[in-house]
Amino acid sequence: SQQGEEDPQALSIQEGENATMNCSYKTSINNLQWYRQNSGRGLVHLILIRSNEREKHSGRLRVTLDTSKKSSSLLITASRAADTASYFCATGRGSTLGRLYFGRGTQLTVWP
Amino acid sequence: GAVVSQHPSRVICKSGTSVKIECRSLDFQATTMFWYRQFPKQSLMLMATSNEGSKATYEQGVEKDKFLINHASLTLSTLTVTSAHPEDSSFYICSASDLETQYFGPGTRLLVL
Repeated sequence: SQQGEEDPQALSIQEGENATMNCSYKTSINNLQWYRQNSGRGLVHLILIRSNEREKHSGRLRVTLDTSKKSSSLLITASRAADTASYFCATGRGSTLGRLYFGRGTQLTVWP
Repeated sequence: GAVVSQHPSRVICKSGTSVKIECRSLDFQATTMFWYRQFPKQSLMLMATSNEGSKATYEQGVEKDKFLINHASLTLSTLTVTSAHPEDSSFYICSASDLETQYFGPGTRLLVL
């Protein structure tokens, strides 16, 4: 079953702009992860943030986690056309090791 | 990150035939692998959790006799869609877990005619 809800469902921006995607979830978590999927392909792991962390960076990616609000955000700075993809958040719980609960995803389109 | 391969990448078959999809973790041993199904423009739907050396755990609503899963080694899990029908047409994705992060295969597009 799905756990997270991303918003917006679709986001369209110009190259160079920043893209912000949000994810909300309902239960307590051990970690939250963001994945990217190009059309017709598998998912690529982008970043993992643990429940005791508030912010994490990886290159042009910045992820925040607010456990009190049960929400996370993914910021992609200086976006490029190659960033066009679907982005999913997924939460990990302690009850089933390794199992992730995926949100519905945000379709990001970056126009050149 | 870890590399997971999936084979075949695409398969077209006639209704009533069985199709086997392989998922391999190439550079690490995965005690747990997951099988997902994804419909167009939708999220991943977990079908089953595959543990090496034991029976797979299926999600509610997923027919275990229809979708046979075998996890014979720490690097290989297979999903067999038995007696496939057009409604089984979908994108099937596997992942291998290091108990925290999942590493996904490239997916298999199944079309049942």
